[in-house]
Amino acid sequence: DIQMTQSPSTLSASVGDRVTITCRASQSISSWLAWFQQKPGKAPKLLIYEASSLESGVPSRFSGSGSGTEFTLTISSLQPDDFATYYCQQYNTYSWTFGQGTKVEIK
Amino acid sequence: QVQLVQSGAEVKKPGASVKVSCKASGYSFTTYGISWVRQAPGQGLEWMGWISGYNGNTKYAQRFQGRVTMTTDTSINTAYMELRSLRSGDTAVYYCARAGGAVDGFWGQGTLVTVSS
Repeated sequence: DIQMTQSPSTLSASVGDRVTITCRASQSISSWLAWFQQKPGKAPKLLIYEASSLESGVPSRFSGSGSGTEFTLTISSLQPDDFATYYCQQYNTYSWTFGQGTKVEIK
Repeated sequence: QVQLVQSGAEVKKPGASVKVSCKASGYSFTTYGISWVRQAPGQGLEWMGWISGYNGNTKYAQRFQGRVTMTTDTSINTAYMELRSLRSGDTAVYYCARAGGAVDGFWGQGTLVTVSS
């Protein structure tokens, strides 16, 4: 099974900061990587798919990069609505694995 | 518009079974599969398995093999996830999500399953 290792687990940042979250796959997943945002009591929301494609309606301050085993999610200028938990997810032949999550907190 | 509407919250005793439904609308049910994901309180997301909306083929996460069964009823565009031999560690919110070859972000609202004696 493919394992996903996400870091950091918690991140303290201020409004306006540039934030980067990293996700590493245990084997190559090409670009089959998505990023989700989740707020308490809500279903996850898709931000990025195929490693770098922005989901429709998602602000352009969110971006994704990487391929193979190393991926990053970047928020260029953190906004108050962005304080949430973020998950990477690999999707390979209908089998998914999630990273353990990164909670972005107010500094 | 695409919608996945799940059944309501459940409270079960240890050892019992639970069956959660996920009714799809707004797209051709047989063109996509459904994945099931759960989230224990304060924990991360855990993929449980996938079922094809076309032919009912399934793929289960190894840790749930033998304890989970996923089915569909294409006449009413509904997917089901049954989990047996429940224990307290199965207390979680269970989500269904549309799952084709790619990720497209359509999830159900979640169903809280509480396992308690």
